[in-house]
Amino acid sequence: DAGITQSPRHKVTETGTPVTLRCHQTENHRYMYWYRQDPGHGLRLIHYSYGVKDTDKGEVSDGYSVSRSKTEDFLLTLESATSSQTSVYFCAISAARDSPLHFGNGTRLTVT
Amino acid sequence: GENVEQHPSTLSVQEGDSAVIKCTYSDSASNYFPWYKQELGKGPQLIIDIRSNVGEKKDQRIAVTLNKTAKHFSLHITETQPEDSAVYFCAASTGGVTGGGNKLTFGTGTQLKVEL
Repeated sequence: DAGITQSPRHKVTETGTPVTLRCHQTENHRYMYWYRQDPGHGLRLIHYSYGVKDTDKGEVSDGYSVSRSKTEDFLLTLESATSSQTSVYFCAISAARDSPLHFGNGTRLTVT
Repeated sequence: GENVEQHPSTLSVQEGDSAVIKCTYSDSASNYFPWYKQELGKGPQLIIDIRSNVGEKKDQRIAVTLNKTAKHFSLHITETQPEDSAVYFCAASTGGVTGGGNKLTFGTGTQLKVEL
């Protein structure tokens, strides 16, 4: 594994509650990404970071926010969870802007 | 934006046979094409990648071919084994040229089953 830890691994929450997912890396890579995986859609980019405090939106960013205060941590927050955000969330890292991405083992989130 | 289509969605082969998975992409600026293998309960694992300045790349039983003119690329697995059974994803990106890192657009995946 590429030194990526996602927490929690599983979470069940209720509609309307805030949720924060954490991605922690030990590789000192500059770039970090959040993807969601849903049947029939593959993986879709939510947000990404190109450095501490530098983040930008991906393809499916509505309803999500991110923060990166340290190189090793990238947080994904659902301000008010909805059932459509039930998914498996994957964090990925890459060393440089054109380097391969390496993924963590995911967080399965269920919003009831 | 980029759109990646992947076929077939499921593929069943006999052990020892070859398996081929095909993807097409829409953005002519894309220049990086990785393939990932995902086992149940795990994250996608990079198995091979190719850049647009190369037409073919091999790594033991795995090979990837790229046709830039037709905008398609394929994964070839020879001498398949039961442990090759997994979901395979193709992806494409501009390789960070447009800034902000290597933002991949994924296909929808192929469930490969290798039968004994």
